[in-house]
Amino acid sequence: KQEVTQIPAALSVPEGENLVLNCSFTDSAIYNLQWFRQDPGKGLTSLLLIQSSQREQTSGRLNASLDKSSGRSTLYIAASQPGDSATYLCAVLYSSASKIIFGSGTRLSIRP
Amino acid sequence: NAGVTQTPKFQVLKTGQSMTLQCAQDMNHNSMYWYRQDPGMGLRLIYYSASEGTTDKGEVPNGYNVSRLNKREFSLRLESAAPSQTSVYFCASSEVSPYEQYFGPGTRLTVT
Repeated sequence: KQEVTQIPAALSVPEGENLVLNCSFTDSAIYNLQWFRQDPGKGLTSLLLIQSSQREQTSGRLNASLDKSSGRSTLYIAASQPGDSATYLCAVLYSSASKIIFGSGTRLSIRP
Repeated sequence: NAGVTQTPKFQVLKTGQSMTLQCAQDMNHNSMYWYRQDPGMGLRLIYYSASEGTTDKGEVPNGYNVSRLNKREFSLRLESAAPSQTSVYFCASSEVSPYEQYFGPGTRLTVT
């Protein structure tokens, strides 16, 4: 069964720290992997998308990596700020665009 | 450029009532999606439309119908609402490959 797992479910760190969020998937035949941010009561905001042929993508303080052989993606956040507090979700798209699986998310809290 | 819009934002239905959730996008995307988000279950795909005139079932299509009215609009209909359909519903759109998804703000539906 294709599954996407995000551990830990919640994370609290002091402001200024660099941190890594994890996303694991059981089936490595992915088409792409997308990271999102969701603020309470809001929709999802796209952060980064990595296609299956890519190893990483960067946007500002964010860097996402992809290792298909180990079934893992990581989202690295540099110099964290209180405004980074949100739930971060990863989603894996398989060859059929109707096969999209989301992880349950990591709720991140940055302490001032 | 509004992105993806959804109406209504909130809705309360009684069991057995029907309603249609509306979604529109102004990014000229071909693909559109309907998801539901439940605590502990993450986001799950209900229906997907690759282009105007085509729809495909996702992971949890039972109890729902969809219409891809034109390239901009994709509606989700509940014919006879049940308490199990209490959820937050999100619409999303993407261009063909690499299918980076953009989400609307969501509709919070309660069925009593």
